Amino acid sequence: EAGVAQSPRYKIIEKRQSVAFWCNPISGHATLYWYQQILGQGPKLLIQFQNNGVVDDSQLPKDRFSAERLKGVDSTLKIQPAKLEDSAVYLCASSLGRGYNEKLFFGSGTQLSVL
Amino acid sequence: DQQVKQNSPSLSVQEGRISILNCDYTNSMFDYFLWYKKYPAEGPTFLISISSIKDKNEDGRFTVFLNKSAKHLSLHIVPSQPGDSAVYFCAASASNAGNMLTFGGGTRLMVKP
Repeated sequence: EAGVAQSPRYKIIEKRQSVAFWCNPISGHATLYWYQQILGQGPKLLIQFQNNGVVDDSQLPKDRFSAERLKGVDSTLKIQPAKLEDSAVYLCASSLGRGYNEKLFFGSGTQLSVL
Repeated sequence: DQQVKQNSPSLSVQEGRISILNCDYTNSMFDYFLWYKKYPAEGPTFLISISSIKDKNEDGRFTVFLNKSAKHLSLHIVPSQPGDSAVYFCAASASNAGNMLTFGGGTRLMVKP
């Protein structure tokens, strides 16, 4: 079974530039998550989708971050304009459903460096 | 406001000995707890979980203990192996909040041969 795919693997940009990350979840997984992991910290949920609808985006900095889930499958996360503090690993995860005990499967992440 | 805390950023143990990783939480609504393991350049992978109706869950070399009154859980690895060297994250969720996990900051475990 293929896992969660993310690209690119690494990205280096200058502040005020824009960047986009792509995620393809495990086939059949209805729920998709984007997490931000800053060095030395645990992952922090940015946004959760159920199919193509947003379940929770309360921790998404909406003035600069946006995300969409096309046709309830692939998802993109965009940052525009980027700030130095956005340097982090962006992890995508998926699960079969939204049940509280559903297992999350994570991709390898995109490491973003903002200079 | 850190609702899930792992106060030990790192832990070093000898191969064959027990590893004990600790986690504290403050939100009394949390009723499901998980441990994830993360190797460098990989995403976290699920290790073991426990519901608040239990105080212990065991899976092979891994056992998670939950002390609800103290809002504390721990992960025991016995015996520890060099391949267990990784960062371990504690996570928690509330059954009335869907699958929204709150993670701790992680503990880096190093198992020396």
